[in-house]
Amino acid sequence: DIQMTQSPSSLYASVGDRVTITCRASQTISTYLNWYQHRPGRAPRLLIFAASSLQAGVPSRFSGSGSGTEFTLTIDSLQAEDFATYYCQQSFSFPAFGGGTKVEIK
Amino acid sequence: QITLKESGPTLVKPTQALNVTCTFSGFSLTTPGVGVGWIRQPPGKTLEWLALIYWNDDKRFSPSLKSRLTLTKDSSRNQVVLTMTNVDPGDTATYYCAHRNYLTTTFGVRLTQHVAFLVWGQGTMVTVSS
Repeated sequence: DIQMTQSPSSLYASVGDRVTITCRASQTISTYLNWYQHRPGRAPRLLIFAASSLQAGVPSRFSGSGSGTEFTLTIDSLQAEDFATYYCQQSFSFPAFGGGTKVEIK
Repeated sequence: QITLKESGPTLVKPTQALNVTCTFSGFSLTTPGVGVGWIRQPPGKTLEWLALIYWNDDKRFSPSLKSRLTLTKDSSRNQVVLTMTNVDPGDTATYYCAHRNYLTTTFGVRLTQHVAFLVWGQGTMVTVSS
């Protein structure tokens, strides 16, 4: 099984900050990596697919990069609505999610 | 507009079977590339992928749960049913269904092998307890 490890598991940030979340795969997954945002009480939302492609309707302050085993999600100029938990998900083999990163208000 | 909604029991007894239905609109499960996936989230834990059914009735299951899961689709009613047998308290979770389709990058490249869940339902909470 391919294990996905996210870091940090949580972070505190302020509106306007730049936030970077890392996701590491236990083996190479090329660019079979997606990122989701999950706000409490809401359905998870696809942000980035194939490591770096922005899903339609997602603000351009979100960006993804990486390939192989290491990936990052960056949020430029954090907004109030961005406080949420973020998950990576690989689809190189059967889909699997990372442990999540909770972005909280400082 | 694509929407999905999960429905099912809120409480199930251990050893019983759980049936959760996903009713969707805005897409057809007969269109090439389309699929409906199931993902769950136990309280305080991360997301766990369970199963995925494709337009051509191809089905994929989580290896750790494969022996307990069944998927059926009714394309005419726009529904997918996930059945999980022999549940226990560890199956307590919010169960989500989600839409899958081919992805197209900003460069116009169609990705047919990637699996991403483009639209999710709100989820239904299921508790397993006697």
